[in-house]
Amino acid sequence: NAGVTQTPKFRILKIGQSMTLQCTQDMNHNYMYWYRQDPGMGLKLIYYSVGAGITDKGEVPNGYNVSRSTTEDFPLRLELAAPSQTSVYFCASSPTIGPGQGSYNEQFFGPGTRLTVL
Amino acid sequence: GENVEQHPSTLSVQEGDSAVIKCTYSDSASNYFPWYKQELGKGPQLIIDIRSNVGEKKDQRIAVTLNKTAKHFSLHITETQPEDSAVYFCAASLEPHSNTGKLIFGQGTTLQVKP
Repeated sequence: NAGVTQTPKFRILKIGQSMTLQCTQDMNHNYMYWYRQDPGMGLKLIYYSVGAGITDKGEVPNGYNVSRSTTEDFPLRLELAAPSQTSVYFCASSPTIGPGQGSYNEQFFGPGTRLTVL
Repeated sequence: GENVEQHPSTLSVQEGDSAVIKCTYSDSASNYFPWYKQELGKGPQLIIDIRSNVGEKKDQRIAVTLNKTAKHFSLHITETQPEDSAVYFCAASLEPHSNTGKLIFGQGTTLQVKP
């Protein structure tokens, strides 16, 4: 298994440009997440999905959009890029959360995309 | 909502010494506390986790302790080795009753193990 793959690895955007960060997992995980990592700030959840066709906002969704048409793919769209979106972006996936309270599983992270907006 | 504070932000130890990283959380309903290790240029990877019905968990040289009353949990690494050098993140369950698996992460600790 390749696990979670992300493309591109690096990208430089100009202010106002748009792009899509790709994320694919081959573990048949239903749960997928997008995070951004800024120095000293930890990982902030942007969007998440609990299955194909279902997405929802995380802590910092403004300026981003997602879609989940298949179990495998969870692309993140940046519209009208701004310097504040300069960050490292990580996609993660997790096996289905069990029923009831307190059922959590390991999140498997991709290698990240380093994005700079100038 | 849940908030997780992590200390220290940087930690430097001599090889063979122990390292301790501490986290506090705000939501007493949080019930899952994982620790992730991020090596340079890679994504974070789970190294150990603990659930709220357990006070301590060990896995070889690493251990995690949880104090639910004080709402804090800690990562302990014994006999540190240079390959332990990395950024470590603690996390707590966000919206623990929602079954979405969402986590809130601490700010991260950069651990340097000097040979």
